[in-house]
Amino acid sequence: NAGVTQTPKFQVLKTGQSMTLQCAQDMNHNSMYWYRQDPGMGLRLIYYSASEGTTDKGEVPNGYNVSRLNKREFSLRLESAAPSQTSVYFCASSYRVNQPQHFGDGTRLSIL
Amino acid sequence: TQLLEQSPQFLSIQEGENLTVYCNSSSVFSSLQWYRQEPGEGPVLLVTVVTGGEVKKLKRLTFQFGDARKDSSLHITAAQPGDTGLYLCAGEATSGTYKYIFGTGTRLKVLA
Repeated sequence: NAGVTQTPKFQVLKTGQSMTLQCAQDMNHNSMYWYRQDPGMGLRLIYYSASEGTTDKGEVPNGYNVSRLNKREFSLRLESAAPSQTSVYFCASSYRVNQPQHFGDGTRLSIL
Repeated sequence: TQLLEQSPQFLSIQEGENLTVYCNSSSVFSSLQWYRQEPGEGPVLLVTVVTGGEVKKLKRLTFQFGDARKDSSLHITAAQPGDTGLYLCAGEATSGTYKYIFGTGTRLKVLA
């Protein structure tokens, strides 16, 4: 009963390195999301995919790219990591867009 | 931009006390959810309220949706240390490009 699985759980990068965060869901959900959570800032939407084949920008998309690989998988890529991207990243999914979401346990990313 | 403001931001209480957390907006929401997030984990959905004035109970937690569907409250009776966590409200806004908005969060600590 996995739900939403994120990998890796922890990562340390140097400024300028690139990295892809992986997310997969096994609930047959159509919509998937990437958030970042910073201390005192709550959840901020980076990108979302309302359905397979579509992606749209959220509140804070700069410095990130996404790929909806198939219905199950939605990846987030940092092309050239910056210290300001140090955060906890959460992937979520829902049956349809704007519906309650199921979250993964997060990826804790530090950029030095 | 539609906002969901939560109050208080932080709350530290003794075991056995009662508390209420508020989620307010100037905009109307089609539905509203409450999530709880424990340290090191992703948010977990607690409840969805849809109808203005609706009240839902989940053991010692009581959730209410405002009559005008612009606000909500979460009341915890006889709080326990296991209630400790970050409480987030989120709602489906009635307008905007992307309609699912998260609140700013209330961090609750219940002391034994």
